[in-house]
Amino acid sequence: QVRLQQSGPGLVKPSETLSLTCSVSSRSMSGYYWTWVRQAPGEGLEWIGRIYDRGTTNYKPSLESRVTISMDTSKKQFSLNLATVTAADTAVYYCAREAIYSAIGMDVWGQGIAVTVSS
Amino acid sequence: EIVLTQSPVTLSLSPGERATLSCRASQRIDTALVWYQQRPGQAPRLLVYDASDRAAGIPARFSGSGSGTDFTLTISSLEPEDFAVYYCQQRNTWPRTFGQGTKVDFK
Repeated sequence: QVRLQQSGPGLVKPSETLSLTCSVSSRSMSGYYWTWVRQAPGEGLEWIGRIYDRGTTNYKPSLESRVTISMDTSKKQFSLNLATVTAADTAVYYCAREAIYSAIGMDVWGQGIAVTVSS
Repeated sequence: EIVLTQSPVTLSLSPGERATLSCRASQRIDTALVWYQQRPGQAPRLLVYDASDRAAGIPARFSGSGSGTDFTLTISSLEPEDFAVYYCQQRNTWPRTFGQGTKVDFK
């Protein structure tokens, strides 16, 4: 059974960069979109962006200027960098996978990391 | 960006009752709709994909229907563990978008 294990700090200072990593337990990262989703306190789910293939990315337009998603297939990891954070970026951040060639949706999720932006 | 509108915001029911949740898309998305369940403090869990296909391990009391712009998730007889928040999500285009959620709580 595939697992996604998230790591990263739970506290980031305003104007700094939030950095999270998701480690994938499957043999290969091929065939999937590797995705980041966040959830602000008491709010719904917000899709941030995805990476797939050999590093092709798509981002939510309103976040695109601050977001970078990268992947290291040799380590079976993908990462989220969100620059110049403010209190509005305080949220639980999830990584997830979504199959490219099937309609199945995001079927495996990480455990989530609660990130607070505060000085 | 496709906007998904879920209704109602809150559904107050008792165990054993039927729950009907709606999701409306701002433009046609064929059957490219997914439903998730989220319990407090947990990551979302995939329930239904392609509008009507149950994910692996999901009980038969969960069913999805719809196409185009109007979709429904039905829970035929609520179990205590079904009281949670439910989100729809479109996978027709990027950026992927979610509805704002429907909370199913105890009457």
